[in-house]
Amino acid sequence: TQLLEQSPQFLSIQEGENLTVYCNSSSVFSSLQWYRQEPGEGPVLLVTVVTGGEVKKLKRLTFQFGDARKDSSLHITAAQPGDTGLYLCAGVGGADGLTFGKGTHLIIQP
Amino acid sequence: SAVISQKPSRDICQRGTSLTIQCQVDSQVTMMFWYRQQPGQSLTLIATANQGSEATYESGFVIDKFPISRPNLTFSTLTVSNMSPEDSSIYLCSVEGTGSYEQYFGPGTRLTVT
Repeated sequence: TQLLEQSPQFLSIQEGENLTVYCNSSSVFSSLQWYRQEPGEGPVLLVTVVTGGEVKKLKRLTFQFGDARKDSSLHITAAQPGDTGLYLCAGVGGADGLTFGKGTHLIIQP
Repeated sequence: SAVISQKPSRDICQRGTSLTIQCQVDSQVTMMFWYRQQPGQSLTLIATANQGSEATYESGFVIDKFPISRPNLTFSTLTVSNMSPEDSSIYLCSVEGTGSYEQYFGPGTRLTVT
């Protein structure tokens, strides 16, 4: 069974600060997805990274896939209250298909 | 992208009863997926529902507990049978996007069993 560990589990910061959350595994994935889930809603896909070392930017969000395709990070610059939510990573690969991490609960305080 | 709706959005049910959750998609899709999201846990796939065939269940989930219907290409239901407090969770349906394994999720059904 492939496992994805996300850290930190909870993060509360002030508006305007920068932050990084991590998604780590001992398994290799063919691709990795990041979702954001707001209260009362389902997860929404933000990005998919496919190539080891790949970096993708989505406005103030920067996603990186590790060179060995075992880990990923999400960096948010100048966080805003609208960034508040549960950030989930999900790895694709092997017999397990799609494997989700437990998520990072992010709160951006105005 | 697909637009997915679920009914009910939330419910509080008594132990031993059953609840059927509906999932409607605004376009025809081959596969629909049902997930469970328990507090503090990752999303767990319950089963994959293909139209015209029986659902495929993941390890730890059985048809008697979670019967699924898929009568057409835009609709599916998941029933949580003989509920216990351990079934309290958010239940999500999803469909696959254009990318490999990329998922579009419904808003979820928050179930509380007392």
